[in-house]
Amino acid sequence: GAVVSQHPSWVICKSGTSVKIECRSLDFQATTMFWYRQFPKQSLMLMATSNEGSKATYEQGVEKDKFLINHASLTLSTLTVTSAHPEDSSFYICSARDLTVGVVPSEQYFGPGTRLTVT
Amino acid sequence: AQTVTQSQPEMSVQEAETVTLSCTYDTSENNYYLFWYKQPPSRQMILVIRQEAYKQQNATENRFSVNFQKAAKSFSLKISDSQLGDTAMYFCAFMKLRGAQKLVFGQGTRLTINP
Repeated sequence: GAVVSQHPSWVICKSGTSVKIECRSLDFQATTMFWYRQFPKQSLMLMATSNEGSKATYEQGVEKDKFLINHASLTLSTLTVTSAHPEDSSFYICSARDLTVGVVPSEQYFGPGTRLTVT
Repeated sequence: AQTVTQSQPEMSVQEAETVTLSCTYDTSENNYYLFWYKQPPSRQMILVIRQEAYKQQNATENRFSVNFQKAAKSFSLKISDSQLGDTAMYFCAFMKLRGAQKLVFGQGTRLTINP
């Protein structure tokens, strides 16, 4: 089955620094990837839709200058949290769609998530 | 905008029992998908079952089945013969077919299967 990886699985950074999270589709090409944020005991909230070769589309209320998304290839999207603050501490999850002909178009494959702690 | 509501924050049943998780949604779309995802303690999201809105037949996957009521905008998940490994957060999700095809999640139901 389709596999999505995320790196790192967890990261601790100091307040004011930036941290980059990678999302890779390992065995399929993903023209679209999605980034979610999940606070403890809460649901997944979509932050942005990442499209290969174009600018990401951010959800209302998400600061695009703070959460930089780059989708430079069909298998890699990155989320950079700039000038991180303790309130950015959360669990970040990516998902990807496999647009291969014949694959169910609604299927999204989720990465295992990245736990970010800002001290 | 679409909304998804799960009115049961927590549920608990004994192993081997049957449990039903509720989900309602609001949309003006006619064509869409509905999903149930499972998130165990590992936090890896796992697709449990999918329903296409244009299909009247309820989807089933082994012990998991749904009751899809399109007019009522209801999409419940039934887990039969529950197992300890079913313990997890369960999220109902909606995806419209038009546009970016984003998933909209409900608040989740924490399901505990007791031995």
